[in-house]
Amino acid sequence: GNSVTQMEGPVTLSEEAFLTINCTYTATGYPSLFWYVQYPGEGLQLLLKATKADDKGSNKGFEATYRKETTSFHLEKGSVQVSDSAVYFCALGRTGNQFYFGTGTSLTVIP
Amino acid sequence: DTAVSQTPKYLVTQMGNDKSIKCEQNLGHDTMYWYKQDSKKFLKIMFSYNNKELIINETVPNRFSPKSPDKAHLNLHINSLELGDSAVYFCASRDTDTQYFGPGTRLTVL
Repeated sequence: GNSVTQMEGPVTLSEEAFLTINCTYTATGYPSLFWYVQYPGEGLQLLLKATKADDKGSNKGFEATYRKETTSFHLEKGSVQVSDSAVYFCALGRTGNQFYFGTGTSLTVIP
Repeated sequence: DTAVSQTPKYLVTQMGNDKSIKCEQNLGHDTMYWYKQDSKKFLKIMFSYNNKELIINETVPNRFSPKSPDKAHLNLHINSLELGDSAVYFCASRDTDTQYFGPGTRLTVL
C-alpha cells in the first residue's frame, strides 16, 4: 500500500539553526512527493514538490530530494527564521485521486 | 482572486443541528476534496469528487453528505452534529498531481 511516515514533533529551534524534518514513504510505482506548510490559522500551502527519483524540490530556502533508494524525502533548511514556525506535512500523490499525508511536524523557531 | 475559497470561516453550533460548508475553486480543476483536521493536526480525507462524480468516500458517518452542483463547487452538509465533529474542515482541488487548499472552516459543536 501507500503511506507516509514523518518525524514526530514538536521541533523547537533557535533562529539561524539548521532544520531537518525526516519523511519516508511506502509506495508502489513512482509517486510524486510533496511538502506542504500550514501557518497558524491558515490552510495548507504547497512548499515544494518532486515528481521523480533524484529530483530536488526547493522553495523559500527549503529543499528536499526524492531518494528512491532510501524511499525518503527529507526537508532541510540551512538557516531557519521565526517566520518559518508552522506545521509541515509530507505527502505522496498518485495519478488518480488518492493523496497520502503524513501526520505533520510542528516547528517553532525562537529568536 | 482566491483560488479555493470556503464559507464560513468559523461555525459554532449546538449538538443535533444541521449545517453546511461551501467550497468554490476558480482554478478550473476537475477534482475536489474534503478533509477533516483534528486538534492534533492530523489530516483525514473524507471525500473526493471528479467532475461532479463521487470518487473517494472514506469511512465517514453517513451524517456527512457532499454535494457537487458543478465541478467548481463542492459543498459539505452535516446532519445531527455531534461533539466529535468539532474540527477544521478543508476543501482542496487538484490538478495533475498537486492539491490546492482552501483556508479551512473551524467547526465547533457545543
